[in-house]
Amino acid sequence: GQQLNQSPQSMFIQEGEDVSMNCTSSSIFNTWLWYKQDPGEGPVLLIALYKAGELTSNGRLTAQFGITRKDSFLNISASIPSDVGIYFCAGRQETSGSRLTFGEGTQLTVNP
Amino acid sequence: EPEVTQTPSHQVTQMGQEVILRCVPISNHLYFYWYRQILGQKVEFLVSFYNNEISEKSEIFDDQFSVERPDGSNFTLKIRSTKLEDSAMYFCASSEKIGQSSNQPQHFGDGTRLSIL
Repeated sequence: GQQLNQSPQSMFIQEGEDVSMNCTSSSIFNTWLWYKQDPGEGPVLLIALYKAGELTSNGRLTAQFGITRKDSFLNISASIPSDVGIYFCAGRQETSGSRLTFGEGTQLTVNP
Repeated sequence: EPEVTQTPSHQVTQMGQEVILRCVPISNHLYFYWYRQILGQKVEFLVSFYNNEISEKSEIFDDQFSVERPDGSNFTLKIRSTKLEDSAMYFCASSEKIGQSSNQPQHFGDGTRLSIL
């Protein structure tokens, strides 16, 4: 099946630092979504992207839909302790109906 | 803000037993999904459901699994004869519809942790 390669697998940063993570695939996606998951909870939608080249912000979060439609990145600026969690990219392909394919996740730790 | 709700939050079941996981999608949503997440792994698609029928399913969703919308608000996942490897978090999600509109992503519930003994 489709694979999304998400990196890095984990990050340990100091409060106030900026963070960047990305997802790549060998396949074309027509939708990219970024979710955050806290322990014991479900994924919470952060940003949705629907057009190649689209750059969208949500507060301190910015995500972009890659021009090639095979990648996306998420940036978090000025990190705070509550940014701790696992961040997942998810993509939907035109040929795969409505199913989302998830990346492996990036575990973010923010040290105060 | 409307949310997807799932019950129970934790289900412990003996291997071989049937289990039903329940979900109440967001009320004006038309598309419903089940995903699972084995501990420490990524979220995996199981099945999507629209207009009272399965619209897509993954290779994980074999004959042991079934879904149903028994009434206007609930959406259930049944596992007929559970196996040890069915232990996972099961997430329900819903969306208003699929397509290119920016307001139609999938929203997830908090999941049911299924433990098979």
